[in-house]
Amino acid sequence: DVKVTQSSRYLVKRTGEKVFLECVQDMDHENMFWYRQDPGLGLRLIYFSYDVKMKEKGDIPEGYSVSREKKERFSLILESASTNQTSMYLCASGLVALPETQYFGPGTRLLVL
Amino acid sequence: GESVGLHLPTLSVQEGDNSIINCAYSNSASDYFIWYKQESGKGPQFIIDIRSNMDKRQGQRVTVLLNKTVKHLSLQIAATQPGDSAVYFCAENLENAGNMLTFGGGTRLMVKP
Repeated sequence: DVKVTQSSRYLVKRTGEKVFLECVQDMDHENMFWYRQDPGLGLRLIYFSYDVKMKEKGDIPEGYSVSREKKERFSLILESASTNQTSMYLCASGLVALPETQYFGPGTRLLVL
Repeated sequence: GESVGLHLPTLSVQEGDNSIINCAYSNSASDYFIWYKQESGKGPQFIIDIRSNMDKRQGQRVTVLLNKTVKHLSLQIAATQPGDSAVYFCAENLENAGNMLTFGGGTRLMVKP
């Protein structure tokens, strides 16, 4: 079975702090994705990566950056957290051969005070 | 802009009844659709998919129907069980969108014993 893990289930940070969210997948998938999930808005894509050191902006990249130094790990960085970044963050991974099918991690619920 | 949306935010059904969750999409260029299930505290989990050259696809207790004429997608769950209680998302992949999915807002399915 595909396993996608996220470093934290819950995080509480203060406005202005730098926040790192880590995601690791164990299936050698080329693609990795970061979404945020907010009530009534569904999942919105922040960034995705199709290879090591490669990244593409999604629908809402503002205020975020990403890092993919190794194939199995994809990090989401909030350079200076703001209260409007309080959300559920979901990581996903998938194969290039099946680009549309994505496997999700359990999510990180981030609260920015 | 074009988007994927859902008709009903909450659906309540009796255990043993069939459930139908609907999704409307507006982009006729979408060629692949997926239904995800998200249980409380977990990430979305792939249920079933369908390509635009198909009208119907069946899985175990689930059926997805695609009506391209009216741009409508539905998920039917037979003999709904308490374990089916979750939020269900539809997602679409545009033919020219590479690896990116667009998600609907989600429908919460509540199963009454």
